[in-house]
Amino acid sequence: KAGVTQTPRYLIKTRGQQVTLSCSPISGHRSVSWYQQTPGQGLQFLFEYFSETQRNKGNFPGRFSGRQFSNSRSEMNVSTLELGDSALYLCASSRHLRQGDTGELFFGEGSRLTVL
Amino acid sequence: AQSVSQHNHHVILSEAASLELGCNYSYGGTVNLFWYVQYPGQHLQLLLKYFSGDPLVKGIKGFEAEFIKSKFSFNLRKPSVQWSDTAEYFCAVNAGRDDKIIFGKGTRLHILP
Repeated sequence: KAGVTQTPRYLIKTRGQQVTLSCSPISGHRSVSWYQQTPGQGLQFLFEYFSETQRNKGNFPGRFSGRQFSNSRSEMNVSTLELGDSALYLCASSRHLRQGDTGELFFGEGSRLTVL
Repeated sequence: AQSVSQHNHHVILSEAASLELGCNYSYGGTVNLFWYVQYPGQHLQLLLKYFSGDPLVKGIKGFEAEFIKSKFSFNLRKPSVQWSDTAEYFCAVNAGRDDKIIFGKGTRLHILP
């Protein structure tokens, strides 16, 4: 069974540019969550999608957005990049969505973004 | 809002030493609790989880964690660590209706051979 696939794995952008990251969840998983990982801050929750709907959103500015397609694949976009956006962006998929029955998150290897 | 605190940011131990990593969360209702591990160069993976039942949960590679509701804690333990346990460990909690999983800032564990 293929795992969570994220593309691209590495990318370098300059301030002011925008970036789009892609995530393909494990087959059958309908929930996709995005996290930003930076040294010292751990994983910070960005947003979660289920059946093409954003169910949850973290405390990030509006420059960070995402969407999910009918095949459960998800993209996140960051516009007007800032130096502080340099991070590893992780995507995770899961099956369970009901309250009190959230299952394990399966993570991809991440997309490492460097903003110069 | 729910939050997760991991007390130790960096822990260095010798092989065969005992390990306990602290984790506290802030939420008064029913919670699901997790420990994830990230080995060098690898993706995050689940170490163990608590949903209900026995508060002492056993995971992979000899790890266990105990849920103490009165202390809002879910500490990770291993009686005898190995060099291969060198990794970053993240405590996480899911609480309330919204199902999002919140992570702590992580603890870097370095085992000396």
